Amino acid sequence: KQEVTQIPAALSVPEGENLVLNCSFTDSAIYNLQWFRQDPGKGLTSLLLIQSSQREQTSGRLNASLDKSSGRSTLYIAASQPGDSATYLCAANAGGTSYGKLTFGQGTILTVHP
Amino acid sequence: DAGVIQSPRHEVTEMGQEVTLRCKPISGHNSLFWYRQTMMRGLELLIYFNNNVPIDDSGMPEDRFSAKMPNASFSTLKIQPSEPRDSAVYFCASRVLGTGDNEQFFGPGTRLTVL
Repeated sequence: KQEVTQIPAALSVPEGENLVLNCSFTDSAIYNLQWFRQDPGKGLTSLLLIQSSQREQTSGRLNASLDKSSGRSTLYIAASQPGDSATYLCAANAGGTSYGKLTFGQGTILTVHP
Repeated sequence: DAGVIQSPRHEVTEMGQEVTLRCKPISGHNSLFWYRQTMMRGLELLIYFNNNVPIDDSGMPEDRFSAKMPNASFSTLKIQPSEPRDSAVYFCASRVLGTGDNEQFFGPGTRLTVL
């Protein structure tokens, strides 16, 4: 059974800092890995999706990397802003007969203060 | 595109009552997922459909939970009878089956409170 862990559980940084959020998964047989953002009381917004054959994806100030062999992914946020404050979730997408099933981590609560 | 639409956004009910949550996937999407989010357990997949057919319902907690997808543009998640421990935010997500990236798009959720 796939298990996804995110470290740290919470992070508070001053505006302008570069930061890294970590995600690890136990079963490396994934189809892809997706990073989401969730604002309080809201749904999930997809940030980046990395296919199992890819090493990284970039969107603006966000860069996500994937190392399947070690079961790890990182989300790098450059020059953080107060508007980046949210919960960040990673989700491993199963392959094979479980194609399409997302297993989520518990999330990292990020606070960027001015 | 309006995105995934869920209704109601908030539901407060009493223990023992029947609760029905509704979802309209993004037009053209042929795969639909129901998730539940709680503080204790995080986000959990309950059930998902491909082309209106239930594929995996192993996450449905008990027989009190049932889900249907009568057509490509509508799905329901029903809880009967409801219990206080069912209180959670329920999310619906959809995707296009068969595309390369398999990206899922989430609705805003229904916050359910069972008293």
